[in-house]
Amino acid sequence: SYELTQPPSVSVSPGQTARITCSGDALPKKYAYWYQQKSGQAPVLVIYEDNKRPSGIPERFSGSGSGTVATLTISGAQVEDEADYYCYSTDTSGDQAVFGGGTKLTVL
Amino acid sequence: EEQLVESGGGLVQPGGSLRLSCAASGFIFSNYWMSWVRQAPGKGLEWVANINQDGSEKSYADPVQGRFTISRDNAKNFLYLQMDSLRAEDTAVYYCASSLSDWGQGTLVTVSS
Repeated sequence: SYELTQPPSVSVSPGQTARITCSGDALPKKYAYWYQQKSGQAPVLVIYEDNKRPSGIPERFSGSGSGTVATLTISGAQVEDEADYYCYSTDTSGDQAVFGGGTKLTVL
Repeated sequence: EEQLVESGGGLVQPGGSLRLSCAASGFIFSNYWMSWVRQAPGKGLEWVANINQDGSEKSYADPVQGRFTISRDNAKNFLYLQMDSLRAEDTAVYYCASSLSDWGQGTLVTVSS
């Protein structure tokens, strides 16, 4: 079955740039989506179709892709950005969707 | 304002069945493909199933294939998940989502004897 691989944790100081990667063989052909989930809350979409930002999401959140790796970048991370972040995509057929294992972002 | 509200969760014995519902409001439900996603306690997100706008195309994750059925009623603005032959490993919070952009708050399903 198809898998997306994320680092378990990333840690930055406030104001620094945080980068979270997501690796998958189908990413050159399929879009990546990124979700933020704070403790006890439902996930929130922060990036869709690799690099588009939904309305209401701060400009410090951006997405990019290169080959089999998609990257979520938080420029000038804030304490309130502490959360779990998940990437999402599909296999090349589009039939099987998958989430990455999640990355815990610590900002302190 | 777009809103998704799940219901139908609860405690069920292994081998039992449960039907989850998701009531949609504030948007044109029939324009969006819909999904069910679950999250086991302390674990990450797991995609469960997708259904396209008119219900003609459905896809399922391997762990639930053949046991779960996703469906929708566009006239009533409802999404459903029929879960049969439930196992302990199906214990999770189940979320519905519209094109994976907006999500409900989830409903807890516990499979235990």
